[in-house]
Amino acid sequence: AQTVTQSQPEMSVQEAETVTLSCTYDTSESDYYLFWYKQPPSRQMILVIRQEAYKQQNATENRFSVNFQKAAKSFSLKISDSQLGDAAMYFCAYKRGGTASKLTFGTGTRLQVTL
Amino acid sequence: GAGVSQTPSNKVTEKGKYVELRCDPISGHTALYWYRQSLGQGPEFLIYFQGTGAADDSGLPNDRFFAVRPEGSVSTLKIQRTERGDSAVYLCASSLGGMSNSPLHFGNGTRLTVT
Repeated sequence: AQTVTQSQPEMSVQEAETVTLSCTYDTSESDYYLFWYKQPPSRQMILVIRQEAYKQQNATENRFSVNFQKAAKSFSLKISDSQLGDAAMYFCAYKRGGTASKLTFGTGTRLQVTL
Repeated sequence: GAGVSQTPSNKVTEKGKYVELRCDPISGHTALYWYRQSLGQGPEFLIYFQGTGAADDSGLPNDRFFAVRPEGSVSTLKIQRTERGDSAVYLCASSLGGMSNSPLHFGNGTRLTVT
């Protein structure tokens, strides 16, 4: 079974600074996708960034980028120029490739952004 | 266009009662997912529909939980003989088509409290 581990229950970053959230996963599959989702107090899960396992290039979306280390099964999220609106729970998630399948989530990291 | 809609937003019920939670996916999305999120945890997969049929119901915890999607759009999660341990946020998500790289779009969830 696939597992996703987030070892940082809470992180804090000052506004305009950079923070990295860690995620490791375990799978025997070769075709899969990795995601970072943001969950503000509104409860809605919002997709931040997605990485296809077959792509060597790390995904980037504006201030958000990932460091995907396939051999190490590591998938960290870097948030640059942190903003107050980035404060939320962040979940790392795994999805097997092929036909649609379930997302497996980690336990989350609560990110605080301070002035 | 409208996003995934979940009703009610909050539901309080007494132990032993029956509840129904509704999910209205994005129009045209054939895949629909239900997740349960307990306090301080990541979302836990319950069931996934492709069209009208349950493609994967391996996450349903026991036979008190049941979900339907009779016309391939709106889905209802049904919980019989509710227990206090069922208290959680129930999240619904939908995605376009059956490919694994289709992103999931989540609703705001229903917070169920069993007293």
